[in-house]
Amino acid sequence: DIQMTQSPSSLSASVGDRISISCRASQSITNYLNWYQQKPGRAPKLLIYAASTLQNGVPSRFSGSGSGTEFNLTISSLHPEDFATYLCQQSYSPPRTFGQGTMVQIK
Amino acid sequence: QVQLQESGPGLVKPSGTLSLTCGVSGASVFSSNWWSWVRQPPGKGLEWIGEIYHSGSSTYNPSLQSRVTILVDKSRNQFSLKLTSVTAADTAVYYCARSNEFWEVVVGATHYALDVWGQGITVTVSS
Repeated sequence: DIQMTQSPSSLSASVGDRISISCRASQSITNYLNWYQQKPGRAPKLLIYAASTLQNGVPSRFSGSGSGTEFNLTISSLHPEDFATYLCQQSYSPPRTFGQGTMVQIK
Repeated sequence: QVQLQESGPGLVKPSGTLSLTCGVSGASVFSSNWWSWVRQPPGKGLEWIGEIYHSGSSTYNPSLQSRVTILVDKSRNQFSLKLTSVTAADTAVYYCARSNEFWEVVVGATHYALDVWGQGITVTVSS
């Protein structure tokens, strides 16, 4: 199985801050990497697929980058509704494993 | 608008079988998508369980493969999950989701991502 490791596991930030979350794959997955946002008690929401392509309707303050084994999700300016848990997932090969998540909390 | 809805028992006895159904509306299970199950134990991360195509072709997480079956019911436009010999470790919120096909024009590659999710159903394994 391909292991996905996110860092940090949590971070505290303020509205308006720029933040980045890292996701590392245990082997090359080229750009077969998705990012999701999950709020408590809710299903995850797709933000980005193919490492850097924004899903329809996702605000442009979200961006994704990377290839191979190293990937990043960046939020350019945090909005109040962005405080949530973010998860990466590889779609390169089954089982399509997820990272453990990064919780973004209000400072 | 595509919507998915999980249904099934919220309580299953240890060593029993967990059976869930995902009803699909606004799309056909015949479409060029895979249909997936994902679970989330209390306070933990997401675990991919498996997926099925309308042809019946399926792929499972090796950690669950001996106990899991995913089927598609074209006549009812739904798909299902069956997990046998359950233990407390199978207690989780179970989500069904559509694994949609996205075309990367520049390199001519197909990507899959879970773009529509059900609301989730909590299943507890307990006597």
